[in-house]
Amino acid sequence: ETGVTQTPRHLVMGMTNKKSLKCEQHLGHNAMYWYKQSAKKPLELMFVYNFKEQTENNSVPSRFSPECPNSSHLFLHLHTLQPEDSALYLCASSQDGTANYGYTFGSGTRLTVV
Amino acid sequence: GQNIDQPTEMTATEGAIVQINCTYQTSGFNGLFWYQQHAGEAPTFLSYNVLDGLEEKGRFSSFLSRSKGYSYLLLKELQMKDSASYLCAPIRPGGGNKLTFGTGTQLKVEL
Repeated sequence: ETGVTQTPRHLVMGMTNKKSLKCEQHLGHNAMYWYKQSAKKPLELMFVYNFKEQTENNSVPSRFSPECPNSSHLFLHLHTLQPEDSALYLCASSQDGTANYGYTFGSGTRLTVV
Repeated sequence: GQNIDQPTEMTATEGAIVQINCTYQTSGFNGLFWYQQHAGEAPTFLSYNVLDGLEEKGRFSSFLSRSKGYSYLLLKELQMKDSASYLCAPIRPGGGNKLTFGTGTQLKVEL
């Protein structure tokens, strides 16, 4: 596989469930990102990892818990979510920790919280 | 800060030319990207501008004026497959630089 792969593509979960989103990149990049995309809103940067270390957390509620075991894999653990958390969650990677070479995005996980 | 403004929706005819504008406010500037996003798919890279002027790449061109905080994406010879959302993304300065995004312009190409 090439590029950035996200699984699952679609997820429906109840507010008391625990689930995880997975992202994997095969580009040899060193930085990975989680973005939230809600209808009619700009993409919101959630977390940034650079060489497996979290370098940015944009005041994301603790019900979202990221994990980056290595530079190729990124997870977003979800628990006790709210209906307003329903959105498209996009993973991205970049060559280094900057945007100077742009980001490569995955196709996203469409999350619905019921 | 970064206020990124672009039109919410545009409609154009197949074969025509369309220009999607983007204005941004930033205390610094390190470049601007345009991405295309089809519904339910990943945003994909279209263009990158860091200096003033026009960058041409096939049917797509992007223009930048740093002094005016203004960019546009020009799409020529529109095709039905160009119906998508177009995202303007200036690089946020500082802290290793990060991409910030506008709400996107939903372009509909009609026959």
